[in-house]
Amino acid sequence: SQTIHQWPATLVQPVGSPLSLECTVEGTSNPNLYWYRQAAGRGLQLLFYSVGIGQISSEVPQNLSASRPQDRQFILSSKKLLLSDSGFYLCAWLAFTGELFFGEGSRLTVL
Amino acid sequence: DQQVKQNSPSLSVQEGRISILNCDYTNSMFDYFLWYKKYPAEGPTFLISISSIKDKNEDGRFTVFLNKSAKHLSLHIVPSQPGDSAVYFCAASARQVNNNDMRFGAGTRLTVKP
Repeated sequence: SQTIHQWPATLVQPVGSPLSLECTVEGTSNPNLYWYRQAAGRGLQLLFYSVGIGQISSEVPQNLSASRPQDRQFILSSKKLLLSDSGFYLCAWLAFTGELFFGEGSRLTVL
Repeated sequence: DQQVKQNSPSLSVQEGRISILNCDYTNSMFDYFLWYKKYPAEGPTFLISISSIKDKNEDGRFTVFLNKSAKHLSLHIVPSQPGDSAVYFCAASARQVNNNDMRFGAGTRLTVKP
């Protein structure tokens, strides 16, 4: 069966510091992968999606970036975090049936 | 732009009664609709979905209704249980056009009181 994991689960970072969140999927090949963010009191905002290695589509301009160095690995990064980057970040993969399956989430607090 | 809207941020119902969660969308290209349930500090879990060729889909206590002309869908939970207390997200995608893009509403926090 397919599983998705992301880490770290919790992160507290100072403003201006770098960020790296990792996500891996097991049990499937060439999945469509996604990064979403849930800000406090808001819905799920699509940040990036990837249909294959090295292929990244960005939904919103921001100081975040994403990379897909391997088929089942998706990384969310920032060179310099802003206070507004705080939130709950979710990685997901798209099943062929059309449902997204999410990881456990990563809580980022920027101070 | 908010293509998927959940206008009720919260809903409180008594155990055993029906919970009705509503969702509206604006993009007429959406052809697949989903409901997700989310507990605090966890990722959302898929609950139930409906294709635009249907107007109803039922799975146990959960039923989703789709009204394409009104661009409206709803999730019915009967009977509601305290364990149903969570945030529920409505989502939509246009699979025929772009299988990569799924849009979510802002969520509705359901509280089921014992």
